[in-house]
Formats: sequence, structure tokens, C-alpha cells
Amino acid sequence: AQTVTQSQPEMSVQEAETVTLSCTYDTSENNYYLFWYKQPPSRQMILVIRQEAYKQQNATENRFSVNFQKAAKSFSLKISDSQLGDTAMYFCAFMVYFGNEKLTFGTGTRLTIIP
Amino acid sequence: NAGVMQNPRHLVRRRGQEARLRCSPMKGHSHVYWYRQLPEEGLKFMVYLQKENIIDESGMPKERFSAEFPKEGPSILRIQQVVRGDSAAYFCASSTNTGELFFGEGSRLTVL
Repeated sequence: AQTVTQSQPEMSVQEAETVTLSCTYDTSENNYYLFWYKQPPSRQMILVIRQEAYKQQNATENRFSVNFQKAAKSFSLKISDSQLGDTAMYFCAFMVYFGNEKLTFGTGTRLTIIP
Repeated sequence: NAGVMQNPRHLVRRRGQEARLRCSPMKGHSHVYWYRQLPEEGLKFMVYLQKENIIDESGMPKERFSAEFPKEGPSILRIQQVVRGDSAAYFCASSTNTGELFFGEGSRLTVL
């Protein structure tokens, strides 16, 4: 079974600063996907970024980037130039894709951007 | 192109009543997933369905919970004889089986 651990229940950072959210996972699989989802107060789950395990290059989406360390089973999210709209819960998630896109989520990190 | 539509957004039930939650996947999506989020927790997988078939129900409680995705119409998550512990947000997600899920806005169930 896969597990996902987010060890930072809450974080806060000043607007325009950079923040890194941590995520580790445990699996015996070699091929899988990793995701970061954002859940703002509206509660909708919004995909932030996705990483395929077979790709060595770290994924980047505008101000969001990941540091994927496969050997260490670590998948951190870096948010640069943080904005007030980044305030949300952030969930790390894991998928072993065998035609079944079941996601295993971590417990989340509540990020607050301070004006 | 409408996203994943869930209704109702909020549902209040008394203990012992039935709750029915509906999910219409994105156009062209034939794979539907249901997740439950308890307060202050992450989402937990419940069930994976394709049209008229349950593919994976490993996360579904053994009793009182059922799900379907008929040939026509939305997917339905049904909870019979609700208890207070069923109070949660229930999320539906759909996909085209390409490794990316699109989530609805969730249905919040409150059991009094």
C-alpha cells in the first residue's frame, strides 16, 4: 500500500516571498505519478502541478515548481513570489497508474499568505 | 465545456435518513471516482466506476454505502441510514483515463 506524508500542518509566509511545502511518500512501485492539489476556502480541488516518476526533470508551472527526489521518495512544492490568492490547503497525492487513477492523498498543509 | 457537476452542494439529513449525491462527469469522460473528506483531513478514495460497472470499491464502507454510474444519467453515491460520522464533504472526479482527474466542487453532507 502507498502512503503519503505531509509533515507541516500549517505554514505562513509574507506576500511575495518563496515558500516550500514538503511531501514524502512510500511505495514499492517504480512507475507512478505525483500531484499537488490546492483547496481554497471554496473547497474545490484544483490541480497545481503533476510529475511523472520516470521523468528526471522537475515539473514547473509558472510560479510553482517541484523538487522530485525519487531515491529519497520526496516531492516538495515551491511557490515563488507568493500571492494572497495562494492561501489554501495544499495536498500532495500519489497515483499508481494501471488504468485505475485512484489517488492517495496526504493530510494537507494549510498555507497562509500574509499581506 | 462544463466541468464536473455535483449536486446538491449542501445536504442536511437526520440520523436514519438516506442521502443521495449526484455527479455528472465532464463531457467525454467515462471514468468516475468518489472521494470522502472528513473535517481537517485529506481526501480518501471510495469507489471507481465506469459506465454500468464498478471497477474498484476498495474504499467503500461495507454497509450502507453504494454507488452506481448508469448508462444514462449521473453517477450516484447513496448512503442509507446515515449516522453523524457520515458528515463529510464528498467529492466526485472524472477522467478519460489519461492520469489526470478533474474534481467537482463537492457535496457537503451534514447529519443532525
